[in-house]
Amino acid sequence: AQRVTQPEKLLSVFKGAPVELKCNYSYSGSPELFWYVQYSRQRLQLLLRHISRESIKGFTADLNKGETSFHLKKPFAQEEDSAMYYCALSGPGGYQKVTFGIGTKLQVIP
Amino acid sequence: KAGVTQTPRYLIKTRGQQVTLSCSPISGHRSVSWYQQTPGQGLQFLFEYFSETQRNKGNFPGRFSGRQFSNSRSEMNVSTLELGDSALYLCASSPGQGIIGNTIYFGEGSWLTVV
Repeated sequence: AQRVTQPEKLLSVFKGAPVELKCNYSYSGSPELFWYVQYSRQRLQLLLRHISRESIKGFTADLNKGETSFHLKKPFAQEEDSAMYYCALSGPGGYQKVTFGIGTKLQVIP
Repeated sequence: KAGVTQTPRYLIKTRGQQVTLSCSPISGHRSVSWYQQTPGQGLQFLFEYFSETQRNKGNFPGRFSGRQFSNSRSEMNVSTLELGDSALYLCASSPGQGIIGNTIYFGEGSWLTVV
């Protein structure tokens, strides 16, 4: 069974401080990992996916297969980063069920 | 490209009634999935359709059903509504195949309140 764990429901950091949102997963095989973000009063949207190895809005995430983790990081938090962040996982290829974590609320304190 | 469109956006139903929610995916996307979002449970997967066939199903009772039409539009139905069905129901679409086949794009959701 595939499972995504986000251990922190709420993470508060000061503006300018580093951010790390934790995500651990359980999957037998090679998963695809994603981070989704939901800003206040906006729809849930893709932030980044591991296959693209991209940096979006200063956020990066590295897939660590040994630790089965896909933590989201940003060196300097901005107030506009305050949002709900969801880690998600699917199997490789198409037609796959996508499983989400329960989400972490990031609160950036001015 | 227009995004994922869901209707209705808000609705109130009485316990025991049934409800149908509609979703129009992004043009060209052949996969449509549905999620239930609640404060306590987060995002829970309901089911996923591709080319009118249900490919995956989550752990929800049989009162929750869905279908997909030949134009990829989808509907989900909940029968015999219970108070606990009150939630935001999210529809999402994805290409369904290829290297980004599993990248899903969400609609704004349908807020269902059961009283």
